[in-house]
Amino acid sequence: AQSVTQPDIHITVSEGASLELRCNYSYGATPYLFWYVQSPGQGLQLLLKYFSGDTLVQGIKGFEAEFKRSQSSFNLRKPSVHWSDAAEYFCAVGAWDSSYKLIFGSGTRLLVRP
Amino acid sequence: EAQVTQNPRYLITVTGKKLTVTCSQNMNHEYMSWYRQDPGLGLRQIYYSMNVEVTDKGDVPEGYKVSRKEKRNFPLILESPSPNQTSLYFCASSGGDLYGYTFGSGTRLTVV
Repeated sequence: AQSVTQPDIHITVSEGASLELRCNYSYGATPYLFWYVQSPGQGLQLLLKYFSGDTLVQGIKGFEAEFKRSQSSFNLRKPSVHWSDAAEYFCAVGAWDSSYKLIFGSGTRLLVRP
Repeated sequence: EAQVTQNPRYLITVTGKKLTVTCSQNMNHEYMSWYRQDPGLGLRQIYYSMNVEVTDKGDVPEGYKVSRKEKRNFPLILESPSPNQTSLYFCASSGGDLYGYTFGSGTRLTVV
């Protein structure tokens, strides 16, 4: 079955520290992978996406993610976190061969310590 | 500005009173979709549309209806809302698989 797992419900990091948010997916075909961010009271904003090619993709706000097919992972990273990065982060896989939907993980809430 | 517009942003209603949440996109996208977001469950697809007059059920369609009479609009209809439909709803549109979805700002619905 197609699914996305984000094993960390909450993560707390200090401002200026590095960040890695984990994402594992289960999908039979070549995955289209996305990371979205949701700030409090806001909609979802696309951070980055992977379809093919270079497995390290760069996104907005200084984020990057690495696709590792052997581990079925697409972890999100940032070298230095800012207080404004506090938000909820969602990993998703695009299931375009069925109901043209995004299958989302349950999200990781990032808290940033001053 | 390219965007997906949902209305209303907040809605409190009573059980059984029909309501419609509107969604409009200005990007000429073919694909549109409705999701609901519940704590610990992420976002789940309710209905989707691949073009005008083409709609189909997603993962959690019970209690919802949609229509796609025009390309830009994709309203979500709750004919008889119940408290278990209290949730945060998002409309989204896509120009194709290489682009992912653009999301609206959300509608927080409370059914009492």
